[in-house]
Amino acid sequence: GENVEQHPSTLSVQEGDSAVIKCTYSDSASNYFPWYKQELGKRPQLIIDIRSNVGEKKDQRIAVTLNKTAKHFSLHITETQPEDSAVYFCAARVVGQGGKLIFGQGTELSVKP
Amino acid sequence: SAVISQKPSRDICQRGTSLTIQCQVDSQVTMMFWYRQQPGQSLTLIATANQGSEATYESGFVIDKFPISRPNLTFSTLTVSNMSPEDSSIYLCSATPGQGKGMNTEAFFGQGTRLTVV
Repeated sequence: GENVEQHPSTLSVQEGDSAVIKCTYSDSASNYFPWYKQELGKRPQLIIDIRSNVGEKKDQRIAVTLNKTAKHFSLHITETQPEDSAVYFCAARVVGQGGKLIFGQGTELSVKP
Repeated sequence: SAVISQKPSRDICQRGTSLTIQCQVDSQVTMMFWYRQQPGQSLTLIATANQGSEATYESGFVIDKFPISRPNLTFSTLTVSNMSPEDSSIYLCSATPGQGKGMNTEAFFGQGTRLTVV
């Protein structure tokens, strides 16, 4: 089945710097790759997603890139702010498996003011 | 968007007992999903619940331990049976309202049930 690896597990940056989180997936049939932000004690919230027919997508300070050949995708956050501090999860959805998402291990991002 | 309501939000249970978690979606969905999130860990899929058929369980999870009901297109329950302290975790339900319409769309989550087994 699908396996998603995420790195790094923790990331500390200064406010205003950029943060990059990387994920790899194993199943070439995966075609949808969302990123979720989870604040302490709260449910995961979608921040951006990308489909397999697109190489890059941007939404203000957040961007995601996808390399289908290498089977990896990355989250880029620019001009980080303290409120960006949270745990971020990547995920992959495989075609024909009912829409289930397989999650990476998570990255705890800390933005220091 | 979708609203997913989950209850209870938290509970403390005695070992050996069972707890049933309810999940209500504000629109009809084909599939609902149940995840477990242990403290400081990622989300692990327990099972996929399809209305009108038995749930599909992931490796390491069995129906006797985690029976699931899916009586209609907006509701599902997960029961954690014969609980032990190792079952202490957050349990989350999820649904993708747009799924099945030929496009990949956002998965929404309930607020989670924080279970502590003593």
